[in-house]
Amino acid sequence: KAGVTQTPRYLIKTRGQQVTLSCSPISGHRSVSWYQQTPGQGLQFLFEYFSETQRNKGNFPGRFSGRQFSNSRSEMNVSTLELGDSALYLCASSLGTSGGGDEQFFGPGTRLTVL
Amino acid sequence: AQSVTQLGSHVSVSEGALVLLRCNYSSSVPPYLFWYVQYPNQGLQLLLKYTSAATLVKGINGFEAEFKKSETSFHLTKPSAHMSDAAEYFCAVRAPDTDKLIFGTGTRLQVFP
Repeated sequence: KAGVTQTPRYLIKTRGQQVTLSCSPISGHRSVSWYQQTPGQGLQFLFEYFSETQRNKGNFPGRFSGRQFSNSRSEMNVSTLELGDSALYLCASSLGTSGGGDEQFFGPGTRLTVL
Repeated sequence: AQSVTQLGSHVSVSEGALVLLRCNYSSSVPPYLFWYVQYPNQGLQLLLKYTSAATLVKGINGFEAEFKKSETSFHLTKPSAHMSDAAEYFCAVRAPDTDKLIFGTGTRLQVFP
């Protein structure tokens, strides 16, 4: 079974631009979560999508948005990029069943650099 | 609210020595706890998880962790370190009824020959 894939793996943008990151979950997984990883703030939860609906959201500004498609693939968009948005963006998928014991499988991440 | 604290941002051990990485949690409900490992330029890989079935949890690569409710701890151990264990390790707790993981700040493990 293929793992979680993220595209692109590396991205360089300039301040003020916008960017879209893509995540394809493991087949059969309906939940996709996004995390931002930076040296200063560590791993922080952005949002979670389940069956095309945002089920949970972290404390990030509205410039960060996401969506999920009917095939469970998810995209994350960041508008008006700032230098502080430079980070590794990780996507994780799980079955999404209730209870919280599901394992989340992580993709390799997209390394975003904002110049 | 759920949170985790990892004591020690860096841990160094000799090859063959005991590995002990500390994690304390705070949770208003019975927690789901996880340990993940991250190798350079890679995503996170699950080592093991606690979901209330057994207090001693065995994971991959010889790692195990013991859930101690009285100490609110979930420390990760491995009897004998290997060079390939050098990586960053994250403890996480899951918020109730969601897939949201709350991570600790991570512990970088160095293994010396």
